[in-house]
Amino acid sequence: QSALTQPPSASGSPGQSVTISCTGTSSDVGGYKYVSWYQQYPGKAPKLMIYEVNKRPSGVPDRFSGSKSGNTASLTVSGLQAEDEADYYCSSYAGSNNLVFGGGTKLTVL
Amino acid sequence: QVQLQESGPGLVEPSQTLSLTCSVSGNSISSGGYYWSWIRQHPGKGLEWIGYIYYSGSTYCNPSLQSRVAISVDRSKNQFSLKLSSVTAADTAVYFCARDVSGYNQVDFWGQGAPVTVSS
Repeated sequence: QSALTQPPSASGSPGQSVTISCTGTSSDVGGYKYVSWYQQYPGKAPKLMIYEVNKRPSGVPDRFSGSKSGNTASLTVSGLQAEDEADYYCSSYAGSNNLVFGGGTKLTVL
Repeated sequence: QVQLQESGPGLVEPSQTLSLTCSVSGNSISSGGYYWSWIRQHPGKGLEWIGYIYYSGSTYCNPSLQSRVAISVDRSKNQFSLKLSSVTAADTAVYFCARDVSGYNQVDFWGQGAPVTVSS
């Protein structure tokens, strides 16, 4: 069982927006500004999409955005494209140099 | 461009020690400021943070694995390594080495992943 809770699946049509949630506790998501999101294609290594809740690494499209409210973080993908179909994982710092991940969400572009 | 490459046995017997090495190019581990990480993914499952080693040599591990994990660095070879002892079938996974910029899971470079099966 993963430390952070994500919906197993999400979907949207091209051009639409989709939001994926990531629920933790006050000891991880709610307690720190260090929430990250990763995109993973089958058989590939994950790719960092968002760090520190809402910051985008260079090269990540601004269609990807992150936010947090209380113990729940969210990743929003706007203007969905076929290439966005992948698995998405959230992660949070959990104090005492401990990091936790969510179970992952499979995003389907209809 | 930073590149990481895992190497090690793909098959480990139960109760033995899993050993993997990550070779880093394009960035000296000794140059400082980064956390060199191990993360694994069980078949068809999510990601699990194993631990990381700071360039200074300090190590930090997942509390659930801490008693079985050892992470070390070989500066002369620009490599870092993972040892996981007393393995069981539950340790079967793809093991990734990676670079964490801040220690707060800002992992910007990953290896391709090394599949490891625990079986007799």
